[in-house]
Amino acid sequence: DADVTQTPRNRITKTGKRIMLECSQTKGHDRMYWYRQDPGLGLRLIYYSFDVKDINKGEISDGYSVSRQAQAKFSLSLESAIPNQTALYFCATSKRGDTDTQYFGPGTRLTVL
Amino acid sequence: AQKITQTQPGMFVQEKEAVTLDCTYDTSDQSYGLFWYKQPSSGEMIFLIYQGSYDEQNATEGRYSLNFQKARKSANLVISASQLGDSAMYFCAMREVSGGYQKVTFGTGTKLQVIP
Repeated sequence: DADVTQTPRNRITKTGKRIMLECSQTKGHDRMYWYRQDPGLGLRLIYYSFDVKDINKGEISDGYSVSRQAQAKFSLSLESAIPNQTALYFCATSKRGDTDTQYFGPGTRLTVL
Repeated sequence: AQKITQTQPGMFVQEKEAVTLDCTYDTSDQSYGLFWYKQPSSGEMIFLIYQGSYDEQNATEGRYSLNFQKARKSANLVISASQLGDSAMYFCAMREVSGGYQKVTFGTGTKLQVIP
């Protein structure tokens, strides 16, 4: 079983709809992250959480919100989706410590029409 | 200035040959970490190798090694004995402290194609 899971894996929605992307992990990591990937731009950080009560904006948080429901769950919401939010979204986790290496979920491909 | 620069948008390598993917970084931190990830066409991001800024030895993981040149601020990935399954996008990333928190910045990637 995958250590970091994301649901849904693919989603097509319309402009103005509210969308929630969910992430769960069984790695026991305390830190969780949401990124988006656009062609030619690499990965950009949307939000990150170092524990359940600690949530921080990344470089591109406008238009997004998050909720850390438990140590193992971190969800990303688009309150009113717009076409330029069409992208591949990744959840990642890491453990506070020496390397703090991030491990990624399989990604959610979101298309906003 | 770009935090992570990968100057090679695309690379070709013959199967069984070695290939070097370039990465330069920019930070004023003394303590930082460098990572390489592989993204095959299926889309997942796979962690390959890590190098800490205080590590004196270059990191190695199987066929992957990281050529760390601290003074030049470069962290090139070397893949030995390339295989067809190595065809993928490769991303360099850096962890540093910013505003009291650790943050990771990714480069724009290099697309590697292994030729039979």
